[in-house]
Amino acid sequence: QKEVEQNSGPLSVPEGAIASLNCTYSDRGSQSFFWYRQYSGKSPELIMFIYSNGDKEDGRFTAQLNKASQYVSLLIRDSQPSDSATYLCAVTGFQKLVFGTGTRLLVSP
Amino acid sequence: DAGVIQSPRHEVTEMGQEVTLRCKPISGHNSLFWYRQTMMRGLELLIYFNNNVPIDDSGMPEDRFSAKMPNASFSTLKIQPSEPRDSAVYFCASSLSGGDQPQHFGDGTRLSIL
Repeated sequence: QKEVEQNSGPLSVPEGAIASLNCTYSDRGSQSFFWYRQYSGKSPELIMFIYSNGDKEDGRFTAQLNKASQYVSLLIRDSQPSDSATYLCAVTGFQKLVFGTGTRLLVSP
Repeated sequence: DAGVIQSPRHEVTEMGQEVTLRCKPISGHNSLFWYRQTMMRGLELLIYFNNNVPIDDSGMPEDRFSAKMPNASFSTLKIQPSEPRDSAVYFCASSLSGGDQPQHFGDGTRLSIL
């Protein structure tokens, strides 16, 4: 079992819709959770982090964490074509981040 | 504010040559990470330093790979001798102390070994 799992996608949504990206992790001791966005040919860019159960909102982005079920999700409201990218989930384990392989999101105009 | 700075941005070299990648972390960040990204394996942590000291190098693939951090503002990742399977994008990232802090990535070095 991989430490951090994501559906590779692509996840296709129309412009203006809500995109929901999910991630599960195996280490129950994980305390910090991050979402990175990576455009093709570019470096990962931190967009959200969450440490506590529940929701955390930042503009159009909402991160949701459920430690009991060991999943973290990212919601993108009013999706735009510029949101088309690969979204990487990262989870702490033994003082380092473990990255999932990412979900490719495609937002069509 | 300057982000993480990596050089070179692109490197093309022949098999067997030595390759040196360089990284300058964000000022004030005490942790530095080297990653490798490929289509097949995704983003892999190679090694990370805390306060210039290597903490975990379990991701370094072989003895051909070595990394140093002589001071708080500079790190190198060296491959000697290089092989075609080392072709990948290599990222450096830095964070405040501790592996559980948000990491900020440099633009990466795209390495091609012919």
